[in-house]
Amino acid sequence: GNSVTQMEGPVTLSEEAFLTINCTYTATGYPSLFWYVQYPGEGLQLLLKATKADDKGSNKGFEATYRKETTSFHLEKGSVQVSDSAVYFCALASNSGNTPLVFGKGTRLSVIA
Amino acid sequence: ETGVTQTPRHLVMGMTNKKSLKCEQHLGHNAMYWYKQSAKKPLELMFVYSLEERVENNSVPSRFSPECPNSSHLFLHLHTLQPEDSALYLCASSQLTAGYEQYFGPGTRLTVT
Repeated sequence: GNSVTQMEGPVTLSEEAFLTINCTYTATGYPSLFWYVQYPGEGLQLLLKATKADDKGSNKGFEATYRKETTSFHLEKGSVQVSDSAVYFCALASNSGNTPLVFGKGTRLSVIA
Repeated sequence: ETGVTQTPRHLVMGMTNKKSLKCEQHLGHNAMYWYKQSAKKPLELMFVYSLEERVENNSVPSRFSPECPNSSHLFLHLHTLQPEDSALYLCASSQLTAGYEQYFGPGTRLTVT
């Protein structure tokens, strides 16, 4: 079945550091891929998405590229801020059948000033 | 109101109480979901409704009872809960169950005493 594996956290970075959170997936066909962010005390918010191979999703300085050859969708940001501290979830949506989103376990990011 | 709303935001209940969580989506979506998010555990999908019919029930105890009276509203009825049911309960909606991103509400923080 479909699955998503993302790097274990927590990740602690200093402000203005470069961020990478790895995400790899297993799926049949051509899924859509997503990154969600959850700030403390809130629900999950869609951060960015990509629907086909080589697509790059971007939002708020974050980017992720859909790499079919490596089955990956790594999240990157060039310069993190304290306000980026949150939990980040990678997710996959199959375009066939009736299967809802499959989420990774989440990676907690803490950015310190 | 826009997006997905949930009420109440916080709930404290005893093990013998009966309460209900409410979710409403204002996005014109056809699928709705209940998730449980516990500390240190992955996001757990509890129930899926598509066009007001339950399509998935991931072995959730019968003390949790969902209700979807129409495509905009979703309830989770709670009775005789256990302390381990304390968690953040998240509602989400999507256009359809397969292939589409989900939009989440802010969650209800439930504490069972």
